Amino acid sequence: DIQMTQSPSVLSASVGDRVTLNCKASQNINKYLNWYQQKLGEAPKLLIYNTNNLQTGIPSRFSGSGSGTDYTLTISSLQPEDVATYFCFQHNSWPLTFGSGTKLEIK
Amino acid sequence: QVQLQQSGAELAKPGSSVKISCKASGYTFTSYYISWIKQTTGQGLEYIGYINTGSGGTNYNEKFKGKATLTVDKSSSTAFMQLSSLTPDDSAVYYCARAGWFAYWGQGTLVTVSS
Repeated sequence: DIQMTQSPSVLSASVGDRVTLNCKASQNINKYLNWYQQKLGEAPKLLIYNTNNLQTGIPSRFSGSGSGTDYTLTISSLQPEDVATYFCFQHNSWPLTFGSGTKLEIK
Repeated sequence: QVQLQQSGAELAKPGSSVKISCKASGYTFTSYYISWIKQTTGQGLEYIGYINTGSGGTNYNEKFKGKATLTVDKSSSTAFMQLSSLTPDDSAVYYCARAGWFAYWGQGTLVTVSS
């Protein structure tokens, strides 16, 4: 199985900060990488699909990049409503696998 | 709009089975596979498998073979997941999600296994 390692596990930042979340796959996943935001008690919400495609309705402060085994989610200007846990998800290789999440907090 | 509406929370005894439903609306049901995902605090998110909503064909993560059985009722645009021989380790929130870009998820169904 492909292991998805997210870092950091917890990130504390201030409103307005540029924030970067990382996801590293144990092997090449050919950019088949999604990012999800999950708030407490809710289902995961798709932010970015296939590395860098912004899902409809998602604010443009969210962006994704990467290739091969290394991927990044960037929030250009952190907002209070961005407090959540963020998961990466690879859908290149069977079985599909998720990262363990980065919990984003506001300082 | 695309919606996946899951059935309500289940409280089940060890050794029993539960069957969760996922009713789709807002799109052509047979055009997209339905996937199922397990979420626990300890193990995080785990991909269980998917069902081809047109043919009924399935593919399971090895870890969930024998535990989960996926079926579909095309007439009602509903996918089902049965979990059998339940143990406390099966206590989790279970989600259905539409394949494609995995953009659409159900609201989740909490399954609690307890005697």
